Amino acid sequence: AQSVAQPEDQVNVAEGNPLTVKCTYSVSGNPYLFWYVQYPNRGLQFLLKYITGDNLVKGSYGFEAEFNKSQTSFHLKKPSALVSDSALYFCAVREYNDMRFGAGTRLTVKP
Amino acid sequence: GAVVSQHPSRVICKSGTSVKIECRSLDFQATTMFWYRQFPKQSLMLMATSNEGSKATYEQGVEKDKFLINHASLTLSTLTVTSAHPEDSSFYICSASYRGPRTYEQYFGPGTRLTVT
Repeated sequence: AQSVAQPEDQVNVAEGNPLTVKCTYSVSGNPYLFWYVQYPNRGLQFLLKYITGDNLVKGSYGFEAEFNKSQTSFHLKKPSALVSDSALYFCAVREYNDMRFGAGTRLTVKP
Repeated sequence: GAVVSQHPSRVICKSGTSVKIECRSLDFQATTMFWYRQFPKQSLMLMATSNEGSKATYEQGVEKDKFLINHASLTLSTLTVTSAHPEDSSFYICSASYRGPRTYEQYFGPGTRLTVT
């Protein structure tokens, strides 16, 4: 079965600095990879996905992620963090009809 | 497009009562719906998957008789928590997908906060 690991529970960055939220995956076939963001007491908002094609995927709100097959990673990045980016971020992998989520990483951007 | 709604957004019920949560796909036909549970500061745990017109497939450890899932139409799935207890208090999120070129996509509802007193 597929699985996702987010090694960091918490990431703290200063506003204006670049941010990276890490994700590694395990899947038997071709991975469908996703990043979602969750604000308090809200559902998940889609940020971006990798299905096929370019390894660098651009998504919503200036976020991007790089698919690295050899390292089985799909790290989320943003060149310049905003305070409003502070939220809970989930990496997910889908195989067949089954999506599995990482444990989540809480991003805090300080002014 | 691809909007999923949930109702209610918050519900408080007394221990021993049942509560129903609705999940609707507003602008597409959801051939498959998923129900997740999220504890505070934790990830989403898949509870069950339901295909329209079929019985739901429950994940290991999820009580079928306690969490009743109905997917009677292509736009509506319901989760009924029967004889709720305080430990059932959680954030419940549904998602939906449809058969087609982008079947890998799942669209998430805003979630329902259940508090059992």
